[in-house]
Amino acid sequence: DTGVSQDPRHKITKRGQNVTFRCDPISEHNRLYWYRQTLGQGPEFLTYFQNEAQLEKSRLLSDRFSAERPKGSFSTLEIQRTEQGDSAMYLCASSPIYGTNEKLFFGSGTQLSVL
Amino acid sequence: TQLLEQSPQFLSIQEGENLTVYCNSSSVFSSLQWYRQEPGEGPVLLVTVVTGGEVKKLKRLTFQFGDARKDSSLHITAAQPGDTGLYLCAGVVTNAGKSTFGDGTTLTVKP
Repeated sequence: DTGVSQDPRHKITKRGQNVTFRCDPISEHNRLYWYRQTLGQGPEFLTYFQNEAQLEKSRLLSDRFSAERPKGSFSTLEIQRTEQGDSAMYLCASSPIYGTNEKLFFGSGTQLSVL
Repeated sequence: TQLLEQSPQFLSIQEGENLTVYCNSSSVFSSLQWYRQEPGEGPVLLVTVVTGGEVKKLKRLTFQFGDARKDSSLHITAAQPGDTGLYLCAGVVTNAGKSTFGDGTTLTVKP
């Protein structure tokens, strides 16, 4: 199976610690997205890349969040100095470029709990 | 302000019943997608609609895109327990470059 892979599936950390998540997209997909989802809500956009270029970052995203996609392949999302409000499911998705006919293929997510 | 409003938020029905869920917005979308999500997993794409008035069928699921491309509906015929899940709509506003999601409808189908 060559779907989107995310690691780890679960992360428990203490407030103030840094965490990093990894996403491996479907290999031929140019676009990679990060979303965050809390219970009872739909996924909230964080940022996206086209190849290695980060094209957009949500204005709601704190400076504690940073994402990279070196070489246009896998991506990492780092959260520095975690807060309890960062607890959420972090979803990665990839997409081939179909113009505006968007089709997102999601990974299973990383569930973050900040104690 | 939520860009996409989904209703109802929760729906609980008996196996065999029909249902319709809605996705509404004041914005015009270039395309709109429906996803289904199970607990602890990422959303899975069901369908993409692009043309105003478009109707797509996927087995017992019928998806319709509004004529003005601002709203959509999902109709399920003879629901089954396997249809249980969170149904999310997502839209791409022209030139936005990303999908914006609604908060979903949580569907429970009881045997």
